[in-house]
Amino acid sequence: ETGVTQSPTHLIKTRGQQVTLRCSSQSGHNTVSWYQQALGQGPQFIFQYYREEENGRGNFPPRFSGLQFPNYSSELNVNALELDDSALYLCASSRTSSGDSPLHFGNGTRLTVT
Amino acid sequence: GNSVTQMEGPVTLSEEAFLTINCTYTATGYPSLFWYVQYPGEGLQLLLKATKADDKGSNKGFEATYRKETTSFHLEKGSVQVSDSAVYFCALILSGGYNKLIFGAGTRLAVHP
Repeated sequence: ETGVTQSPTHLIKTRGQQVTLRCSSQSGHNTVSWYQQALGQGPQFIFQYYREEENGRGNFPPRFSGLQFPNYSSELNVNALELDDSALYLCASSRTSSGDSPLHFGNGTRLTVT
Repeated sequence: GNSVTQMEGPVTLSEEAFLTINCTYTATGYPSLFWYVQYPGEGLQLLLKATKADDKGSNKGFEATYRKETTSFHLEKGSVQVSDSAVYFCALILSGGYNKLIFGAGTRLAVHP
């Protein structure tokens, strides 16, 4: 069983640029969530996608957007990057969108904005 | 609002020592509670969970009991190993909601031989 995979593992961008992060969900999982983990802090929920629709969002501005594809893989897009966007971005997939379904996390993408 | 508070780290212990990492929460309704572990360079792994009051979650020698009266979910292990060195996160999910985990800030554990 293939777990959650994220790409790239590391990325360096300049302030004002745009970035796309990718996530392949675990086999049999139809829900993907994205989290931002700043250095030394706990992960913060960005949003969740279920069957290609966003069905939950945390306290992040609209320049954070996402997509989910028919194969349940997902992208996180961040426009107009700011220095504070530097963080580890974690993707998690689950079998369903309910809170009863365990989350399986990928190893993350480390984004550095200079 | 809904939140999780963990004891600050780092926690430094010798091998075979007893571990306690405190976690308290504030939440509306009846949340499910979790402990996740993050090893260096890796994502989060679910360590254990409890879904209702007085439930005890356990895994790999770690235990935590859901205490509704004290809104706590403290993590314990009787004898830690060097391989337990990692960052531990306490988290909750609100009942009836979607899969939004609310995490504490994490507690780094360092175990020395």
